[in-house]
Amino acid sequence: DVKVTQSSRYLVKRTGEKVFLECVQDMDHENMFWYRQDPGLGLRLIYFSYDVKMKEKGDIPEGYSVSREKKERFSLILESASTNQTSMYLCASSLYYQETQYFGPGTRLLVL
Amino acid sequence: KQEVTQIPAALSVPEGENLVLNCSFTDSAIYNLQWFRQDPGKGLTSLLLIQSSQREQTSGRLNASLDKSSGRSTLYIAASQPGDSATYLCAVSSGGGADGLTFGKGTHLIIQP
Repeated sequence: DVKVTQSSRYLVKRTGEKVFLECVQDMDHENMFWYRQDPGLGLRLIYFSYDVKMKEKGDIPEGYSVSREKKERFSLILESASTNQTSMYLCASSLYYQETQYFGPGTRLLVL
Repeated sequence: KQEVTQIPAALSVPEGENLVLNCSFTDSAIYNLQWFRQDPGKGLTSLLLIQSSQREQTSGRLNASLDKSSGRSTLYIAASQPGDSATYLCAVSSGGGADGLTFGKGTHLIIQP
């Protein structure tokens, strides 16, 4: 079975802090994705990566950056956390283009 | 820009009923469509993926259909059970390459025992 893990289930940070969210997949998938999920807005794509060191902006990249130094790991970085980044963050991976995406359990981030 | 709509937003039915969840999308130029379920506070579990060239996919009591030209998909759940209670999300892949999915806001389903 595909396993996508996220470093934290719950995280509380202060405004202005630098925040790292880590995602690891164990199935040698090429593609990895970061989404955020908010009530009333649904899931929205922040960034995705189709190879090591490669990244593409999604629909809402502002205030975020990403890093993919190894194939299995994709990090989401909040350079200076703000209260409007309080959300549920979901990581996903897929083997190739247009294949099934597998999701991690999510990280619920609260920025105070 | 692709938009995905799911109707109804919420549904409550007695156990044992067959039911249909609806999904529509504005741009018919999609590569595939996926149905997911999400339990409260959890991540998403993939249920079915339909490629744009396919008309339907089946997995156990679930059957998903796709009518690309009209921009519609349905998820049919047969003989519903309380364990089917969850939020069901529809998502489409519209772009080339490894782009992400565009999601609907989901249908919150409750199966009454």
